[in-house]
Amino acid sequence: KQEVTQIPAALSVPEGENLVLNCSFTDSAIYNLQWFRQDPGKGLTSLLLIQSSQREQTSGRLNASLDKSSGRSTLYIAASQPGDSATYLCAVNQAGTALIFGKGTTLSVSS
Amino acid sequence: SAVISQKPSRDICQRGTSLTIQCQVDSQVTMMFWYRQQPGQSLTLIATANQGSEATYESGFVIDKFPISRPNLTFSTLTVSNMSPEDSSIYLCSVTHRGQGTEAFFGQGTRLTVV
Repeated sequence: KQEVTQIPAALSVPEGENLVLNCSFTDSAIYNLQWFRQDPGKGLTSLLLIQSSQREQTSGRLNASLDKSSGRSTLYIAASQPGDSATYLCAVNQAGTALIFGKGTTLSVSS
Repeated sequence: SAVISQKPSRDICQRGTSLTIQCQVDSQVTMMFWYRQQPGQSLTLIATANQGSEATYESGFVIDKFPISRPNLTFSTLTVSNMSPEDSSIYLCSVTHRGQGTEAFFGQGTRLTVV
């Protein structure tokens, strides 16, 4: 059974810092890996999608990498801002199946 | 991409009653899923909504408690039946197309409080 782990569970940084969020998964036979952002009490906003054949994706200040063989992904956030404060969720799926989520990393960026 | 309208956005319900949540997508999608997010927790898959047939439920979730309909490719409902305070959660609808590289999208969720 696929399990997704995210480290750290919580992170507090001052504005302007670069930071890395980690995600690991137990079954490397994934189809897609997706990073989401969730603000308190809200739904999920998709940030980046990485296909299993890809190694990284970039969107603005965000960069996600994937090492499928080792079962790991990282989300790099450059020059963090208070507006980046949210919970970040990593999720993976296999062919024709739903996403399996980690428990998330709650990020707080102080000004 | 896909735009998902989920209703209601929130509700407060009495124990023992039922609530039906609607999920409407602006385009035809292959896959529709329902998730539950309990307070302070991550998302747990309830079931896959299958068009024109019975939903496929995950371990720990049963049709009598969470009946699901999907009459067409753009609409699904989830009912939370005979509610108890333990059902207080955010319920989320998700859609995607089958296949690699297809992005999953989520509705804004329904925040349910059972008193």
